[in-house]
Amino acid sequence: DTEVTQTPKHLVMGMTNKKSLKCEQHMGHRAMYWYKQKAKKPPELMFVYSYEKLSINESVPSRFSPECPNSSLLNLHLHALQPEDSALYLCASSQAGGARTEAFFGQGTRLTVV
Amino acid sequence: GQQVMQIPQYQHVQEGEDFTTYCNSSTTLSNIQWYKQRPGGHPVFLIQLVKSGEVKKQKRLTFQFGEAKKNSSLHITATQTTDVGTYFCAKGGTASKLTFGTGTRLQVTL
Repeated sequence: DTEVTQTPKHLVMGMTNKKSLKCEQHMGHRAMYWYKQKAKKPPELMFVYSYEKLSINESVPSRFSPECPNSSLLNLHLHALQPEDSALYLCASSQAGGARTEAFFGQGTRLTVV
Repeated sequence: GQQVMQIPQYQHVQEGEDFTTYCNSSTTLSNIQWYKQRPGGHPVFLIQLVKSGEVKKQKRLTFQFGEAKKNSSLHITATQTTDVGTYFCAKGGTASKLTFGTGTRLQVTL
């Protein structure tokens, strides 16, 4: 199984809502990532978890809260988002221990904040 | 950190023509990866280059890593409509950090 599964595929939320994005992989990868991608732009790294611990936070606003409950799951909790947060949110996983192995990406969650 | 720049931003070719995208960094890279993202899709890993001057081929795709490990290129011979998409280089870093270049969008028409 070389899949990274993200749910939901699409999400529309109001600025006062709380929602969560979910990501799951069963490849035994111990590094998991959240990326944000705006239209016609490259994926922009948000967070990296390594061995279930947050290792990188790219100065992401606190309205985005990541969580890694176990080695297969990664969540992104959303609260009080702004319309400019509308984007494709991509989850990825790879073997841990440096960025020398390929990253597998999920299909993404297309988020619209209204 | 320094962003990795890619040129061109966009290229439109006729099917059968060749295509090249270049990836440039101001700092020495420990490794470079290449990904393809189809329209509406997600990035898919193509290759990783680690050694100075390395050249790798995958069918019609040729990947090069510069001697100084500051640049890389992807060349596609005789493009097909299935090559349409955006090609990203991505630099590896410490703590599993993977940072994407600016990307080159390829359009192929018959």
